[in-house]
Amino acid sequence: EIVMTQSPATLSVSPGERVTLSCRASQSVSSNLAWYQQKPGQAPRLLIYGASTRATGIPASFGGSGSGTEFTLTISSLQSEDFTVYYCQQYNIWPLTFGGGTKVEIK
Amino acid sequence: EVQLVESGGGLVKPGESLRLSCAASGFIFSSYRMNWVRQTPGKGLEWVSSITSSSNYVQYADSVSGRFTISRDNAKNSVFLQMNSLRGEDTAVYYCARSDSTYWYFDLWGRGTLVTVSS
Repeated sequence: EIVMTQSPATLSVSPGERVTLSCRASQSVSSNLAWYQQKPGQAPRLLIYGASTRATGIPASFGGSGSGTEFTLTISSLQSEDFTVYYCQQYNIWPLTFGGGTKVEIK
Repeated sequence: EVQLVESGGGLVKPGESLRLSCAASGFIFSSYRMNWVRQTPGKGLEWVSSITSSSNYVQYADSVSGRFTISRDNAKNSVFLQMNSLRGEDTAVYYCARSDSTYWYFDLWGRGTLVTVSS
């Protein structure tokens, strides 16, 4: 099983700042990596797939990069609605696995 | 409106069974792969099971293999999860999620249904 490790677990950031979230795979997943945003009481929402392709309706302030085992999600300027939890997921090999999540909180 | 709506959750005792349903609307259901993903209250996400558009290929997480069965009815735009021999650790919100025909990421999610396994 591929273990996905997200760091840090919690990130304290001020509104308007740029933030970078990290996701590391225990073995290569090529570019088969997705990012999700989950707000309290809601289902996850797809942000990024293929490591760097924004999903439909996702603003350009969200960007993904990386391949192999190292990936990043960048939010260029944090808005109030962006303070929530983010998960990465690999879909290269069964079983599909998620990272433990990074919570972005207001500093 | 493009949406997935889960139903069938509830409170059951250990060892009992439950069948979850997910009704799809607003898109051509038979063209998409479908999945179940669960989330323990306050915890992260865990993939449970996946099925291809024609039901010719299914996958299960080791934690549910042999106890859960995924199926779908394209005529009724629905996917199901039959859960047998339920355990306390199966307590979670169960989400139905859609994947496209090529890759197994989840581009559409339902709101989830809560399954509680407790005596």
